[in-house]
Amino acid sequence: EVLLLESGGGLVQPGGSLRLSCAASGFTFSSYAIGWVRQAPGKGLEWVSSISGSGGRTNYADSVKGRFTISRDNFRSMLELEMNSLRGEDTAVYYCATLARLLGDSYFDYWGQGTPVAVSS
Amino acid sequence: EVVLTQSPGTLSLSPGERATLSCRASQSIISRYLAWYQQKPGQAPRLLIYGATSRATGIPDRFTGSGSGTDFTLTISRLEPEDFTVYYCQHYDSSARFTFGPGTKVDVK
Repeated sequence: EVLLLESGGGLVQPGGSLRLSCAASGFTFSSYAIGWVRQAPGKGLEWVSSISGSGGRTNYADSVKGRFTISRDNFRSMLELEMNSLRGEDTAVYYCATLARLLGDSYFDYWGQGTPVAVSS
Repeated sequence: EVVLTQSPGTLSLSPGERATLSCRASQSIISRYLAWYQQKPGQAPRLLIYGATSRATGIPDRFTGSGSGTDFTLTISRLEPEDFTVYYCQHYDSSARFTFGPGTKVDVK
């Protein structure tokens, strides 16, 4: 069974930093691209970032580029998101989700339950 | 960048009725890069449809995806009580970026 367990969320002041983690199990982690999707309170889904199975390719939404860094540790089956210069609009539940290899990593097939991030003074 | 518009914003129907949800792209897109998700309150999204028409594992056959070009549709043939929730479409582009539509809420009439 595929399991994704996010952690690291919490309350942080504007301008602060936070590191999110996603522990994966139940599949060959290094074989799959994976990403982060967030959802602000009462709002829709927003893609944040994704990373290839090897970690060699990363992509970011314009809203987080230059502030967030995605990385993965294939030995530990862990995904991370380093978030710097946080803003109020980064307040959201952050989900990690795997990208299905069928059809070229173009959709998210398995999702974690999310970790909440609140940016407020 | 492709912008996805979903309509209606809210669809009010009764159990047993047919639901037709629309997802329109701002430009023609490759059908295989269009997916649909269902999200219930307090839960993570769940993949329903990928490649515009293929049902994900375990998804009941009352869910059907169709469309091409700029117009895509998610049809729920007969609404069950558990289907009253929010649905999102999603596109993947050639720059390996993802866009979600704003969602359609299906609620009980």
